[in-house]
Amino acid sequence: EPEVTQTPSHQVTQMGQEVILRCVPISNHLYFYWYRQILGQKVEFLVSFYNNEISEKSEIFDDQFSVERPDGSNFTLKIRSTKLEDSAMYFCASNWDRENYGYTFGSGTRLTVV
Amino acid sequence: RKEVEQDPGPFNVPEGATVAFNCTYSNSASQSFFWYRQDCRKEPKLLMSVYSSGNEDGRFTAQLNRASQYISLLIRDSKLSDSATYLCVVNNAGGFKTIFGAGTRLFVKA
Repeated sequence: EPEVTQTPSHQVTQMGQEVILRCVPISNHLYFYWYRQILGQKVEFLVSFYNNEISEKSEIFDDQFSVERPDGSNFTLKIRSTKLEDSAMYFCASNWDRENYGYTFGSGTRLTVV
Repeated sequence: RKEVEQDPGPFNVPEGATVAFNCTYSNSASQSFFWYRQDCRKEPKLLMSVYSSGNEDGRFTAQLNRASQYISLLIRDSKLSDSATYLCVVNNAGGFKTIFGAGTRLFVKA
């Protein structure tokens, strides 16, 4: 079964540093997403990406965050100048039909900011 | 009012029991509806889509009431492996943004 791959599985970084979280979506999917989940809290939408541009973003996704699809397979989330409150699990997801089908999620990157 | 609201539980049920979860959503323009399950510290996994006519997948039945903005999930003959958090998920119109409920925790005991 096709899967969404995320690397690294766990990243520890110092406050103020930049991190890049990487995702390889399923190859025939067209829509890509990043979500985050702070420990014990609900899954929160960050951003959706289609046709090489951001489709929609949440209020969480401020200037600190950026996304990129640098080639035909990778989809990255960059967090600049990390803060303690950025510590969370970050999930990448993809699908090929945004309205009628649910997402396939990657197994996540646990980001710990110290 | 929260965009997607669920009873947090936990629901503690014996094996073989039938259990029902409810969810309400606030945006009447919402287009697509789903149930996911999430095991502890794992990614959400799609359980089933929810259609207006209601749909069933084995022991799982989902219902949607657009007039009341209400979604339900029924699990029959609960198994130990059904223990998880069940997430109600709603896509806004256009489908680029998906809102997750906070989840309902289910414990199935032997």
